[in-house]
Formats: sequence, C-alpha cells, structure tokens
Amino acid sequence: AQSVTQLGSHVSVSEGALVLLRCNYSSSVPPYLFWYVQYPNQGLQLLLKYTTGATLVKGINGFEAEFKKSETSFHLTKPSAHMSDAAEYFCAVSPAGGNQGGKLIFGQGTELSVKP
Amino acid sequence: NAGVTQTPKFQVLKTGQSMTLQCAQDMNHEYMSWYRQDPGMGLRLIHYSVGAGITDQGEVPNGYNVSRSTTEDFPLRLLSAAPSQTSVYFCASRYRASNTEAFFGQGTRLTVV
Repeated sequence: AQSVTQLGSHVSVSEGALVLLRCNYSSSVPPYLFWYVQYPNQGLQLLLKYTTGATLVKGINGFEAEFKKSETSFHLTKPSAHMSDAAEYFCAVSPAGGNQGGKLIFGQGTELSVKP
Repeated sequence: NAGVTQTPKFQVLKTGQSMTLQCAQDMNHEYMSWYRQDPGMGLRLIHYSVGAGITDQGEVPNGYNVSRSTTEDFPLRLLSAAPSQTSVYFCASRYRASNTEAFFGQGTRLTVV
C-alpha cells in the first residue's frame, strides 16, 4: 500500500529564512505528487503538483518542490518565509495508472510557524 | 462557479443521533471523496465515488454511509453518531484522472457529545 511520511509535525522559521518541509512516499511505481496548504478554518488549496516532465516544479506564493525518484522524496521549499506562509501543509500522492478512484493519500501534515 | 459546497459548516450532535453532511460540486467532476481530518493524522479517506451510482470504501468507512445518485451530489450519512466521529470533514472532487488537482470544500466541523 502506498503511504506518505512528512518529517516534522511542526516547523518554525524566522521571517526571511528558508522554508523546507519534507515529504517521502512509498510506492513501487512513482505516483503523482501534490502539496496542499490549509489556512486556519479553511479547506485545502493546491500549492503545486508533479505529474511528469521537469522534476523541479514551481507553485503559488513562491513555493517549489523537487521530485527525486531515487530518494522517493518530494520536499517543499521557499527561499524566504513570509508571515503569511503560516499554515498547515500536506503532501499527498495519487496512485498512477489503473482505476484508483481518484484517491489521494495524505501525509500527517506539517504546521509551519513564521516568527517575526 | 461555486466549486465544492459543504453544508453545514458546524454541527453538534448527541451520541446516537444520525445526520447527513451535504456536498455538492458544479464542475462536472466524476470523482468525489469524503475525508476526515484529525490532529496529527492528516486527512483520511472515508468513502469515494468514481461516478453516479458507484461508491466504495476508503480507509475509515465504519459508521458512515454514502450514495451518489447524481454527478453533482455526494452526501455522507452518520448512522449513529459516536464521540470518536468528532472531527472536521472535507468533501473533495476532481476530474477522472489521477494527475489532476482535487478541489476541496470548506469543511464541516462536527462535535459529538
């Protein structure tokens, strides 16, 4: 069965510092990969996704992520944190191929705090 | 477009009561899903549907029922509410392809006392 692991349930950075949120997946076949963001009391919003092609993908709000097949990782980064980035971030995988019913498998989530 | 609409936003139930959480989407998406979100556990799949008349169980289906009579609607029924079902529930929809984005509703915060 596929699974997703996000290392660190809470990450705290200073404003202007690098943001690095880690995501590893387990799958015999590389899945499609997603990062979602959830602001307080709201639903989830897509930040970026990797399906095929270039392994470095850029998303909204200055975030990017790199798919590394050899490391089964899809870490999320942002060069300079802003106060408005404080939120919970979810990594998710969608099994590629076959009739998977549109399922998304989520990691546990990482809450990002940004200190002034 | 309204996207994915969930009602109600908040609900308090007594143990043993039943209720239906509503979910509607206006994007003509074939895939719809229900998730529950609990602290430290991410989102866990309850039930999903690949089209009208077709539903299947996810990771945590016990205590919940679904049906999909139309493409637009995918209600989630709690048969006999238990305190363990206190959670935030999200409905999501996406096109029939695994590489597409899922769109989420705003969530329903349910408390069972």
